[in-house]
Amino acid sequence: AQKVTQAQTEISVVEKEDVTLDCVYETRDTTYYLFWYKQPPSGELVFLIRRNSFDEQNEISGRYSWNFQKSTSSFNFTITASQVVDSAVYFCALNNAGNMLTFGGGTRLMVKP
Amino acid sequence: EPEVTQTPSHQVTQMGQEVILRCVPISNHLYFYWYRQILGQKVEFLVSFYNNEISEKSEIFDDQFSVERPDGSNFTLKIRSTKLEDSAMYFCASRTDRGLMGYTFGSGTRLTVV
Repeated sequence: AQKVTQAQTEISVVEKEDVTLDCVYETRDTTYYLFWYKQPPSGELVFLIRRNSFDEQNEISGRYSWNFQKSTSSFNFTITASQVVDSAVYFCALNNAGNMLTFGGGTRLMVKP
Repeated sequence: EPEVTQTPSHQVTQMGQEVILRCVPISNHLYFYWYRQILGQKVEFLVSFYNNEISEKSEIFDDQFSVERPDGSNFTLKIRSTKLEDSAMYFCASRTDRGLMGYTFGSGTRLTVV
């Protein structure tokens, strides 16, 4: 069975602070994919990144970066110099190359001016 | 960029009524999905659909639910007799046949059962 845990249910930071959202996953499969989605107050799911299990290289995209560590089954997401527009719920998700995505419980990020 | 389109964006229905949620997946995609998100909770898988049949479903997807691809472009989720606890955001998603490339979600339909 697959499981994704986002232990931080809510994080509050002040604008320009860096913030890391944690994601820990469980799977027995050797081939799998990890995702991060952003859900702004309007409710849609905005795709941020997809990573496969064979690619442990960290990735940076502007102010966003992701740290994938198979040894600790973690796929953490860092926002550098946070902005008010980053306020949203962020979901980590796992797929074992099958059909369904298994989502974590989400982390609500509040960035205050 | 191609999109998955869901209509309506918000639907209010009375308990016990049937409701149909509609989705237009991306045209060259072959796998179709419905997910549900009860307010304030995580996104949960309901069902996947491939080659005109259900390929996988969760325990949430009971006999009250059905899916259909009636005309080669639309993908619908029907709830036969809605209950209060069916109130949720319903997301449609689709993808190509190449691994998980292009796994794309629609913007969701917020269903409110009163």
